[in-house]
Amino acid sequence: NAGVTQTPKFQVLKTGQSMTLQCAQDMNHEYMSWYRQDPGMGLRLIHYSVGAGITDQGEVPNGYNVSRSTTEDFPLRLLSAAPSQTSVYFCASSEQGIYGYTFGSGTRLTVV
Amino acid sequence: AQSVSQHNHHVILSEAASLELGCNYSYGGTVNLFWYVQYPGQHLQLLLKYFSGDPLVKGIKGFEAEFIKSKFSFNLRKPSVQWSDTAEYFCAVTPKTGGGNKLTFGTGTQLKVEL
Repeated sequence: NAGVTQTPKFQVLKTGQSMTLQCAQDMNHEYMSWYRQDPGMGLRLIHYSVGAGITDQGEVPNGYNVSRSTTEDFPLRLLSAAPSQTSVYFCASSEQGIYGYTFGSGTRLTVV
Repeated sequence: AQSVSQHNHHVILSEAASLELGCNYSYGGTVNLFWYVQYPGQHLQLLLKYFSGDPLVKGIKGFEAEFIKSKFSFNLRKPSVQWSDTAEYFCAVTPKTGGGNKLTFGTGTQLKVEL
């Protein structure tokens, strides 16, 4: 099993550009989440999903969109990148959210 | 909403020293508790978890944690650290019911173990 796969691993964007961070899991997990990790701030929840077709906002959703058309995929879209979105992004999935999540290897995004 | 506090932001220890990292949470109901570890340049890995039962739980690599309900705490311990334990450690909680099964993290503790 590949687990949780994130692409790309590194990305540099110019301010105002858009892009999609990809996340796929092959464990048939219903719950998926996106986090951003910034120094001294831990991991903060951006958006999450409890199943295909169902998404909701987390702690820091502004500037990001998500959709969940299949159980396997949970892409994160940046519509107009800003330097404040420079961060490391982690996708995670869980069979039942209360029992813990499995994390992907992350995407390091730099917005210049 | 739940929240997690980790009071030690940076800890430096010598090899063979004992480790205790503090974690306190705030939530009006019952929670499941986790410790994750992030080695340099890597993703988060589950170290240990507590759902119910014996409040002293053992995880991988000799780590353990104790849940003290009255103190809303879930401190991480290791009797003797190794250089390879150098990493960032995150405490996390999720409500047992409600809360959208969201996992909320503390700000992390950076542990450096010196030879």
